[in-house]
Parts: sequence; structure tokens; C-alpha cells
Amino acid sequence: EDQVTQSPEALRLQEGESSSLNCSYTVSGLRGLFWYRQDPGKGPEFLFTLYSAGEEKEKERLKATLTKKESFLHITAPKPEDSATYLCAVQHMNSGYSTLTFGKGTMLLVSP
Amino acid sequence: DAGVTQSPTHLIKTRGQQVTLRCSPKSGHDTVSWYQQALGQGPQFIFQYYEEEERQRGNFPDRFSGHQFPNYSSELNVNALLLGDSALYLCASRGASGGNTIYFGEGSWLTVV
Repeated sequence: EDQVTQSPEALRLQEGESSSLNCSYTVSGLRGLFWYRQDPGKGPEFLFTLYSAGEEKEKERLKATLTKKESFLHITAPKPEDSATYLCAVQHMNSGYSTLTFGKGTMLLVSP
Repeated sequence: DAGVTQSPTHLIKTRGQQVTLRCSPKSGHDTVSWYQQALGQGPQFIFQYYEEEERQRGNFPDRFSGHQFPNYSSELNVNALLLGDSALYLCASRGASGGNTIYFGEGSWLTVV
């Protein structure tokens, strides 16, 4: 059974204080690993998809990396508007393309 | 270009009642999936529809059913509502021509009292 564990559950940063969020996964065949951002009461907003170990993708202050067992979402010099819950999800090789297994998320709060 | 749209945004139902939630996929997308997100949890896969048929199903009882229409829009039906069905219901869409990106709607908040 696919499993996704995100840590920490919650993270509080000062504006400009860089940090990383962790996503550990267990899947017998990984097709893709997804990162989403979710604001309170809203649907998840797509950030990145990673496919193979060593791959990196960047978007503004965010950079996602992937190894064979975990993924990191690095946040460089965060701003208050980066405050949100960040969700990680895996897509199994043998499941439908739309079938994602999510972790519980990391709630990030960036204070000015 | 409209993204994934869902209706209604909020609704309150009584235990034992039935509810229907609606979803229109992003333009050009033909595959729709539904997820349930309880408070403080990640979304859980319910089922996926493609070419008007249920193609994949998660670990949800038969009280949860769905439908996809020829225009690719979809409905999620839940019968015999339980208090534990209270959650945010998310619709996601994907199109073969759009690569592997899966887009979510804003969700429908269901409260069962």
C-alpha cells in the first residue's frame, strides 16, 4: 500500500528565514510525485510534478527535489503570502493517472 | 480559460439524506476524479471517470456513486448520509494533451447534521 508521510506537521518561520519541508514516501512503482499548495477553505493549487530521483524544479521562492525515498520542498526567503498548507502526493505506476495518494500536509505560517 | 468548477460551494444536509455534487472539468480535460478531504487530513481518492465510465475506485462504500456526462462534466452522489461524511469534496481533472498535471477545483463543503 502506498504511504506518504509529511513533516513537520506545522512550521512557523520569520519572513526571510529559509527552510525545507519533507515528504517521505513508500510506493512500489512511482510514476510521479506531486506538490500542491492549499489555502484555508480552498482547493489544492498545483505546484510541481517530479518523476525521477535527482530531478529538481523551481518556481519563484520554491524548489522541489526528489530522491528514491523522499522529496523536499525548499522555501527560500519566504514571505507572509507563502503561508499555506503544502501537500505532497504520489502517483503509482499501475494506478490511474488521476489516482493520487496524499500526505496530511505541512501547515506553514510565515510571520512578517 | 476556466479552471475546474464545482457546485454548490457549501451545503448542509441531515443524516440519512442524499446529496449530489457537480463538477465541470478544465477546458480540454476529459478525465474527472473525486476526492474527500476531512478537516486536518489530506485528500482521499474516491473514484475516477473517463469516457463516462468509472475506471478506478478508492476505499469508499457503495453509498458513494458518480456519473460522467458526454460533455465530460461529472456528478458525485452520496446516499444515506452519515455524520462522518462531513468534509470538503474536491473534483480534479486531467487531459491527455495536458501532460500529467492534475488540477483541482475549489471544492464543495458538505456538513451533515
